[in-house]
Amino acid sequence: GAGVSQTPSNKVTEKGKYVELRCDPISGHTALYWYRQSLGQGPEFLIYFQGTGAADDSGLPNDRFFAVRPEGSVSTLKIQRTERGDSAVYLCASSYRASGPQETQYFGPGTRLLVL
Amino acid sequence: AQSVTQLGSHVSVSEGALVLLRCNYSSSVPPYLFWYVQYPNQGLQLLLKYTSAATLVKGINGFEAEFKKSETSFHLTKPSAHMSDAAEYFCAVSGTGRRALTFGSGTRLQVQP
Repeated sequence: GAGVSQTPSNKVTEKGKYVELRCDPISGHTALYWYRQSLGQGPEFLIYFQGTGAADDSGLPNDRFFAVRPEGSVSTLKIQRTERGDSAVYLCASSYRASGPQETQYFGPGTRLLVL
Repeated sequence: AQSVTQLGSHVSVSEGALVLLRCNYSSSVPPYLFWYVQYPNQGLQLLLKYTSAATLVKGINGFEAEFKKSETSFHLTKPSAHMSDAAEYFCAVSGTGRRALTFGSGTRLQVQP
């Protein structure tokens, strides 16, 4: 079956612009996660959805970052007034259910964001 | 709070040699531990995970890891390296009340012919 997909695969924007990154989870997965991976680092958690609601957004770095999942499937990560420091690979993951922290998270290929 | 330390950002082994990638964790609650592999321009793929059942966990591609509570470690091993094992490996931890994964900074494995 299809895995987690993310679009676009690459995004180049200018400082101060607004960007949207999309994640399509595995069909039937109720939990969805966003992570950010900077060069040479491990992924860092941003936000987690259970269904339509954000269950944990403690990783969002500031109020320029926002994410939605209106129908409990596709999610969009939105970044306003982008800064050069936002350049990173943004990873999305999904899991079948959020029964607990032992659930396997399945990752997409990521969106590589470059802010000039 | 949870954290993961991966000792050695780069490890190089010869083909056929033992692979040992180190991971130490810190957690205030019983941890769940994961190893993921990342090939160039691909997403993270789960190798194996510890969920408080057997302490020796076997994963895909011949990898295994042993949970040692006394040493707070979860090192990844493979008896014989293949060229195809060259990739970046990440150790991660989660725990009760914290579903998000906390990752280490990764270890890049090189396999020399």
